[in-house]
Amino acid sequence: GENVEQHPSTLSVQEGDSAVIKCTYSDSASNYFPWYKQELGKRPQLIIDIRSNVGEKKDQRIAVTLNKTAKHFSLHITETQPEDSAVYFCATGAIQGAQKLVFGQGTRLTINP
Amino acid sequence: GAVVSQHPSWVICKSGTSVKIECRSLDFQATTMFWYRQFPKQSLMLMATSNEGSKATYEQGVEKDKFLINHASLTLSTLTVTSAHPEDSSFYICSAPGGAREAQYFGPGTRLLVL
Repeated sequence: GENVEQHPSTLSVQEGDSAVIKCTYSDSASNYFPWYKQELGKRPQLIIDIRSNVGEKKDQRIAVTLNKTAKHFSLHITETQPEDSAVYFCATGAIQGAQKLVFGQGTRLTINP
Repeated sequence: GAVVSQHPSWVICKSGTSVKIECRSLDFQATTMFWYRQFPKQSLMLMATSNEGSKATYEQGVEKDKFLINHASLTLSTLTVTSAHPEDSSFYICSAPGGAREAQYFGPGTRLLVL
């Protein structure tokens, strides 16, 4: 089955700096790559996603890049703010079919004022 | 946007009892729903896929006789943790496939504590 590896497990950056989280996956059939932000005790919140027909997508301070050949994708957060502190999860899935998601291990991001 | 609800939001029970968790799609129909389990400081692990009108599909290592899933209608799936033990204490989250805007709609989760 699919295996998703996420790094780093913890990340601490100064407010205003950029944060990058990386994921690799194994199943070449995966064509949907979402990123979720989860605050303690809450449901995962979709912050950005990318489909396999594009290599990059940006939404204000958040961007995701995808390299399908190398089977890795990354989350980039620029101009970080204290409210960006949370746990972030990457995931992989397929748009068609079962649509189940396989999650990475998570990254605890801390933004230091 | 589409909403998925869960009930209860939290439950405390004694070891050996059974607990039922409901997952509802409030404004759309879902022939498929997913059940995830999340232990503290860990990731979401898919437990099973709930299929309306047919048997659930369980992930490897998940005991189907312990985690009973029923998808009785197009808007409701239930997960019953039978003979719960302290190691079953976890955060249980359901989801339903979305549309073009968002691939998965997650419920708010149910925190289970087994004493």
